[in-house]
Amino acid sequence: GNSVTQMEGPVTLSEEAFLTINCTYTATGYPSLFWYVQYPGEGLQLLLKATKADDKGSNKGFEATYRKETTSFHLEKGSVQVSDSAVYFCALRAQGAQKLVFGQGTRLTINP
Amino acid sequence: KAGVTQTPRYLIKTRGQQVTLSCSPISGHRSVSWYQQTPGQGLQFLFEYFSETQRNKGNFPGRFSGRQFSNSRSEMNVSTLELGDSALYLCASSAHRDRGQTNEKLFFGSGTQLSVL
Repeated sequence: GNSVTQMEGPVTLSEEAFLTINCTYTATGYPSLFWYVQYPGEGLQLLLKATKADDKGSNKGFEATYRKETTSFHLEKGSVQVSDSAVYFCALRAQGAQKLVFGQGTRLTINP
Repeated sequence: KAGVTQTPRYLIKTRGQQVTLSCSPISGHRSVSWYQQTPGQGLQFLFEYFSETQRNKGNFPGRFSGRQFSNSRSEMNVSTLELGDSALYLCASSAHRDRGQTNEKLFFGSGTQLSVL
């Protein structure tokens, strides 16, 4: 079946550090890939998405590239801020499907 | 435009009871999905409704059920509660396009935190 694997957290960084959160997936065909963010006490917000191989999603300084050859969708940000502290979820949606399959989530804490 | 509204925000029940959670989607959205979030299992898909019909169902026991009304509002019900049902239940809505295309942007509510004692 379809699945998503994320690097385990928690991840703690200093402000202005470089961020990478690894995400790999297993799926047949060509799924769409997403990163969602969850701030404390809130629901999930879509951070970025990519719908086909080599697409790069970007938003708020975050980027992720859909790599079909390595079945990966790693999240990166060049300089993190304290306000980026949250839980990040990688997810996929299989072709023709409505539901999202999520990774386990990675808790990120940024210290000033 | 108001976001996805879930009520109540917090709920405490005891084993064996039943519970009903409510979700009001964004105005104009016709598809509503439910997810269960727990520390151990992460986010798991429960079911999806569109035009008052269940379109997809996740791998949960029959104690978990739902419905959607003509105004697109949705409820989910859990009967005979177990300790393991303690979780954050998230509702998400999307503007499901006609002609069978799936819309890829889901808008999530803040969830209902259910505690079963």
